[in-house]
Amino acid sequence: DADVTQTPRNRITKTGKRIMLECSQTKGHDRMYWYRQDPGLGLRLIYYSFDVKDINKGEISDGYSVSRQAQAKFSLSLESAIPNQTALYFCATSDWDRAADTQYFGPGTRLTVL
Amino acid sequence: SQQGEEDPQALSIQEGENATMNCSYKTSINNLQWYRQNSGRGLVHLILIRSNEREKHSGRLRVTLDTSKKSSSLLITASRAADTASYFCATGFSGGYNKLIFGAGTRLAVHP
Repeated sequence: DADVTQTPRNRITKTGKRIMLECSQTKGHDRMYWYRQDPGLGLRLIYYSFDVKDINKGEISDGYSVSRQAQAKFSLSLESAIPNQTALYFCATSDWDRAADTQYFGPGTRLTVL
Repeated sequence: SQQGEEDPQALSIQEGENATMNCSYKTSINNLQWYRQNSGRGLVHLILIRSNEREKHSGRLRVTLDTSKKSSSLLITASRAADTASYFCATGFSGGYNKLIFGAGTRLAVHP
């Protein structure tokens, strides 16, 4: 979805390096998410943010940190990358809805940690 | 552990045939959603069915939900080669955070 962009699209780095993945959206949504996808495991939630001042850990937040710089921007950082963080990372957004939460995904960042 | 589990893990059919994918889940839900992912790309929302609904249609897609059996199915009728993708179910919960939990997906291959 072109309304949600991620940079970089591909990144190869070495163990111990600090990495930042960026996400921007033009959908005007308040909620933003970071997921990682590993083969055979579906998507797992890393962090989510309801608005600029509200950031919450997901199920696999260890080794990651996030920053919500503005409503439209949500960055994911790996402070000291390790090989098992090699994965496909997705950013997603959603609009507030009492009954459901349809999410809109970016194209993903393929990260390889050597 | 994952809430939703898709079955089968992989499905291979010919163009024109129907494709059926199933999703089972463990706990009560507010809604269930199906997403599609083309190889290496972001997920795209296909359809949402709420817990008080039993069936929903969107074009060639038909989704059913059986809350008593904690299961859902996605039927793609008259499949096309362009339907080749992975399909994920995601279970949604009410509350302050309408979180989604994704299953591992079904890989569908439609052969011309």
